[in-house]
Amino acid sequence: AQRVTQPEKLLSVFKGAPVELKCNYSYSGSPELFWYVQYSRQRLQLLLRHISRESIKGFTADLNKGETSFHLKKPFAQEEDSAMYYCALSGRGGGADGLTFGKGTHLIIQP
Amino acid sequence: DAGVIQSPRHEVTEMGQEVTLRCKPISGHDYLFWYRQTMMRGLELLIYFNNNVPIDDSGMPEDRFSAKMPNASFSTLKIQPSEPRDSAVYFCASSFGTRELFFGEGSRLTVL
Repeated sequence: AQRVTQPEKLLSVFKGAPVELKCNYSYSGSPELFWYVQYSRQRLQLLLRHISRESIKGFTADLNKGETSFHLKKPFAQEEDSAMYYCALSGRGGGADGLTFGKGTHLIIQP
Repeated sequence: DAGVIQSPRHEVTEMGQEVTLRCKPISGHDYLFWYRQTMMRGLELLIYFNNNVPIDDSGMPEDRFSAKMPNASFSTLKIQPSEPRDSAVYFCASSFGTRELFFGEGSRLTVL
């Protein structure tokens, strides 16, 4: 069975401080990992996916198969980063079988 | 495109009543997903369709829940009879093949 764990329900950091949102997964094969974000009063939307290896809004995430982790990082937090962040896993290519989501981390950036 | 459209946005009903949630996916998308979000369990996949055919309904909690997709532009999630523990936000999402999921704004259901 596949599982995604986000150990922090709430994370509060000051503006300009580094941010790391933790995500660990359990899956027997080669998963595809994603981060989705939900800003206040907006839809859940894709932030980034590990196969793209890109930086979006200053965020990066590296898939560590040894530690089965996909932590989301940003060196300098901005107030507009405040949102709910969900880590998600797909067993087969990008969600064609539906994503398994973690329970989410509420990130609050304090001024 | 207006994105994935869900209705109603909010629904308050009494226990035992039938609830129907509706979803219009993005035109051209061939996958449609129904998720339920609660504080306790987070986002759970209920069922998904590919080309209007249900592929996996193992996440549907019980027989009171049913979902249909009569055509490529419409899907329903029905709960009959509804119970207080069904109170949640129900999300519909669609995708084209293996690309990213696009979510609707959700339907917040409260069963009294």
